[in-house]
Amino acid sequence: NAGVTQTPKFQVLKTGQSMTLQCAQDMNHNSMYWYRQDPGMGLRLIYYSASEGTTDKGEVPNGYNVSRLNKREFSLRLESAAPSQTSVYFCASRNTGTSGNEQFFGPGTRLTVL
Amino acid sequence: GEDVEQSLFLSVREGDSSVINCTYTDSSSTYLYWYKQEPGAGLQLLTYIFSNMDMKQDQRLTVLLNKKDKHLSLRIADTQTGDSAIYFCATNPGRRALTFGSGTRLQVQP
Repeated sequence: NAGVTQTPKFQVLKTGQSMTLQCAQDMNHNSMYWYRQDPGMGLRLIYYSASEGTTDKGEVPNGYNVSRLNKREFSLRLESAAPSQTSVYFCASRNTGTSGNEQFFGPGTRLTVL
Repeated sequence: GEDVEQSLFLSVREGDSSVINCTYTDSSSTYLYWYKQEPGAGLQLLTYIFSNMDMKQDQRLTVLLNKKDKHLSLRIADTQTGDSAIYFCATNPGRRALTFGSGTRLQVQP
């Protein structure tokens, strides 16, 4: 099992450009999440998907959109990137209902917006 | 909403015990978690504790939960240089998603 995979690993954008961050999991998990990590602030939830076909806003959704393409894939789109979106983005998945309910994380995408 | 607080930095000598502390505000979490993040990597689950437990031991790791004070701690026995990382406490109020503290950077000196 590859677990949770993310592409790309690194990206540099200019202000106003758009891009999509890809995430896939092969653990047959129901729930998937997008977080951003900024220095000294821990991880903040951007969007999540409790199951295929559903998405909900998290703590910091402005400037982002998501698509739960199927059970495996959950993408995050920046329509018009801004310097404030420079961050490390983590995708995670969780199989709700099992003991522990722990989330499994991907390796992250490091995004710089100039 | 839930607020999770951690101290930012801890330095210990190799072989000593490390204790990383966390406080939280929402007592509705079913589980409380400790994650480890090494430089340039994602978060790795270290251990978790069910909210009706006071203590959980897993090899060199001991988790203590004081529900009355809403305090969670992680003790690492015989700390090694490979334990140097950022440690995140997390709760799951409402079971929607995890709420993370800002992380404690553990530095282990040889």
